[in-house]
Amino acid sequence: EVQLVESGGDLIQPGRSLRLSCVASGFTVSSIYMGWVRQAPGKGLEWVSVIYTGGSTEYADSVKGRFTISRDSSKNTLYLQMNGLRAEDTAVYYCARGRPNYGDYDFWGQGTLVTVSS
Amino acid sequence: ENVLTQSPGTLSLSPGERATLSCRASQSISNNYLAWYQQKPGQAPRVLIYGTSNRATGIPDRFSGSGSGTDFTLTISRLEPEDFAVYYCQQYGSSPRYTFGQGTKLEIK
Repeated sequence: EVQLVESGGDLIQPGRSLRLSCVASGFTVSSIYMGWVRQAPGKGLEWVSVIYTGGSTEYADSVKGRFTISRDSSKNTLYLQMNGLRAEDTAVYYCARGRPNYGDYDFWGQGTLVTVSS
Repeated sequence: ENVLTQSPGTLSLSPGERATLSCRASQSISNNYLAWYQQKPGQAPRVLIYGTSNRATGIPDRFSGSGSGTDFTLTISRLEPEDFAVYYCQQYGSSPRYTFGQGTKLEIK
C-alpha cells in the first residue's frame, strides 16, 4: 500500500530555516518523480517543487533560491529544506507522488503545517 | 506561465443534479497533461481525472473529464452528497512546470 507521511512543520520566525520530511512506503521515492505542493490557509493549491528520477529539480519562482528539494533513497524519504522563511510561506505542505507520462500527482500525504510568524 | 482559470467560482446544486465545471488555460495543453482533483475540508487533494479523461483508481463513473487545447471540463453526472467539495484543475507544461486553477467550490443548494 502506498503511503506518504510528512513531518517537520512548526511555528517558526521569519528568516529562519526548516526542513520537512516525507517518508514513503509501498514504492521507492527515486523510482518516480515526487513533488511538494502547499496550501495557504483558506487558499488554493500552489505547486512548490519537483524532483525527477534522474535527480533534476524545479521550483516555483516564489521559492527559487530559498527552498531545496532532495531525497534519500536509503531512507525512502523526500525532503524540503526551506531557508529564509517569510510570512507568505505559511501553509500546509503536502508531498505527492507523480504519475509517469501524465504530469499529475496520484498519491498525497496528509500535509504538515508551517507557520511563519514572529 | 500557463494560467488556469476555473469557472464558476462557486456552483450551487442539489443532489441528483448534473455538475459541469470548467477549466480554461491561457496556453494550449497536451491532453496527457490535464488533471482534476477533489479536496474536502481538512483533507489532502485526491486525483479524480488524469490525462484529461482517464478516471483514477476507485473513482466512480459519474465523474468524467473532457476537452482539448485550452478548454477542459469536469462533469459529475448525478451529484451524491459526498461530491460537495472544492475541485481543482492542474496542468503540466512549461515553466512553472505545474500550475493549478484557483478552484471551484461545489456547494449544496
